[in-house]
Amino acid sequence: DTAVSQTPKYLVTQMGNDKSIKCEQNLGHDTMYWYKQDSKKFLKIMFSYNNKELIINETVPNRFSPKSPDKAHLNLHINSLELGDSAVYFCASSRGHTGELFFGEGSRLTVL
Amino acid sequence: SQQGEEDPQALSIQEGENATMNCSYKTSINNLQWYRQNSGRGLVHLILIRSNEREKHSGRLRVTLDTSKKSSSLLITASRAADTASYFCATDERGQISRLTFGEGTQLTVNP
Repeated sequence: DTAVSQTPKYLVTQMGNDKSIKCEQNLGHDTMYWYKQDSKKFLKIMFSYNNKELIINETVPNRFSPKSPDKAHLNLHINSLELGDSAVYFCASSRGHTGELFFGEGSRLTVL
Repeated sequence: SQQGEEDPQALSIQEGENATMNCSYKTSINNLQWYRQNSGRGLVHLILIRSNEREKHSGRLRVTLDTSKKSSSLLITASRAADTASYFCATDERGQISRLTFGEGTQLTVNP
């Protein structure tokens, strides 16, 4: 029943490793997003996809690579993890470009 | 540059009191939205107000928008302990697509 689900909820890993976070939405939305929330709760957009096409890439290092296999899925792969990548990553979706966002519960990434 | 700034950063009140949070932004917008985030959870959409609207109500929530001052306020009346959360404003900037820019949030604590 969960509208936007992302896995895993928690991820603890060593510097230099590669990790992925998966996101799926069952709302029939055509736009999906990745947001990063830092330790001060500041929320910043990373990527936006519309109908599987990349719309926004917000000057994110190319160690971060989103992939949208279909409209309902948007995954995030991170190579060569760094300490500064520690954050909570939120997936979200919306109908169209300017409406209400539906967020997942977040994936807390800790890089040691 | 950061779009939304909430004021105050933290607010502590007693149950039954009203809570007012303010948000200022810098550019022209299509709409402004308010979200709530409970600790450890994803953001939940509360209310959207369009740039041609001045006030909107939803249950115990009242939102105002003053585009001449580039500011918005969120009023929660008759607060409850369950209203304890972080509250974020988010703006949909004119000329941008698929991008909501979030403020820094106000941490509201409602004491029973």
